[in-house]
Amino acid sequence: AQKVTQAQTEISVVEKEDVTLDCVYETRDTTYYLFWYKQPPSGELVFLIRRNSFDEQNEISGRYSWNFQKSTSSFNFTITASQVVDSAVYFCALSGRGSWGKLQFGAGTQVVVTP
Amino acid sequence: EAGVVQSPRYKIIEKKQPVAFWCNPISGHNTLYWYRQNLGQGPELLIRYENEEAVDDSQLPKDRFSAERLKGVDSTLKIQPAELGDSAVYLCASSLGETSIDTDTQYFGPGTRLTVL
Repeated sequence: AQKVTQAQTEISVVEKEDVTLDCVYETRDTTYYLFWYKQPPSGELVFLIRRNSFDEQNEISGRYSWNFQKSTSSFNFTITASQVVDSAVYFCALSGRGSWGKLQFGAGTQVVVTP
Repeated sequence: EAGVVQSPRYKIIEKKQPVAFWCNPISGHNTLYWYRQNLGQGPELLIRYENEEAVDDSQLPKDRFSAERLKGVDSTLKIQPAELGDSAVYLCASSLGETSIDTDTQYFGPGTRLTVL
């Protein structure tokens, strides 16, 4: 069975602060993909990043960066220099070879950025 | 390029009434998904289509839910009769398909928010 845990329910920061979102996953698949999606108040889930299980290289894309560690089954996501427009619910998701096409989502973390 | 289109955006019905949701995926996307998102939770897959074939409907409550994707493009999800517990956001997503596994990312529509009174 696959499981994604986002322990942080809500994070509140002041604009320009960095925000790190935690994600811990469980899977028996040796090949899997991890995702981060953003859901603003409009409701649409917006794809942010994808990582496969064979690539632990951490990267930075603009103000987004991620830290993937297979040893601890974690896939954390950081927003640098947060902006008010970053206010949204962020979901971590997992898709494994054993159930390809089925995204297993965490419960989400609400990020509130105040001016 | 147009994204995933869903309609209606909002629907309020009385319990025991039928309701239908429509989804048009991104052009060229062979795989279509329906998810249900309850308040405060992540989306949960209801059904996945590869072209017109439902390849995973294990999570679809078949006693009252049905879905179709007759021509392998747009899709309709129906609930009949609706119950109070069906109140949720119904999200449609699409992706290129399993043949493009390294790039098979799901892109979501804005969803339909259903309220059953």
